[in-house]
Amino acid sequence: AQKVTQAQTEISVVEKEDVTLDCVYETRDTTYYLFWYKQPPSGELVFLIRRNSFDEQNEISGRYSWNFQKSTSSFNFTITASQVVDSAVYFCALTVSYNTDKLIFGTGTRLQVFP
Amino acid sequence: EAQVTQNPRYLITVTGKKLTVTCSQNMNHEYMSWYRQDPGLGLRQIYYSMNVEVTDKGDVPEGYKVSRKEKRNFPLILESPSPNQTSLYFCASSPGITGELFFGEGSRLTVL
Repeated sequence: AQKVTQAQTEISVVEKEDVTLDCVYETRDTTYYLFWYKQPPSGELVFLIRRNSFDEQNEISGRYSWNFQKSTSSFNFTITASQVVDSAVYFCALTVSYNTDKLIFGTGTRLQVFP
Repeated sequence: EAQVTQNPRYLITVTGKKLTVTCSQNMNHEYMSWYRQDPGLGLRQIYYSMNVEVTDKGDVPEGYKVSRKEKRNFPLILESPSPNQTSLYFCASSPGITGELFFGEGSRLTVL
C-alpha cells in the first residue's frame, strides 16, 4: 500500500527565515511520482512540482527547493527567506505507475509566516 | 483560459435533499476525479474517470455517485446527503495522472 506522511501539522516562522516541510512516502513500486501542492487561504490547490522516481536531482525554483532522497523515502520542500505570502497549507502527494488514476495525499502542513 | 470549473462554490443543504455538484474542464483531458478534503485527513479520492462512460470508485465512494457522459463534464451526485458529507470538495482533471492535476476552486458543502 502507498502512504504519504507529513508529520509537521503546523509550522510558524518569522519572515525571512528558511523553513523545511518534510514529506516521507511509502511504496513498494520502483516507478512512482511525487508532487507538492500549495493551498493558500483562498482555498484553491496550486501545483508546485512533480518528480519521478528515477530523477533524484534536487530542484530549485526561485526561493523554493526540493530535496528528493530515495534512500530515506523523503521529498522535502524548503522555502528560503520566507514571506508572508508563503502562508498556506502544503500537501505532498504520491502516485504509482500502475495505478496512475489516483493521487495519494499527505495530511498537509500549515505554514504561517509572520511579518 | 485552461480551467476546471465547479458549481456551486458554497452550499448549505439539509439531510436527505439530493444535490449535484457540477464540474467542467476545457482542456480536453481524459482523466477526471473528485476529492474531498477534511481537517487532519488531507484529500481523499471519491471517484475517478479515465474516459467517457468509464468511472470507478476511489477511497471514500459511499454516499456518492458520478457520471461521465461527456468528456468535459464529471458531476458529483449526493442522492441523500448526510452531515458526515459536510466537506470541501475538489474536482480535478489531468491528461494523465503522471502529469499535473488541475484542480477546480473547490465547493464547500454543509449538510445540516
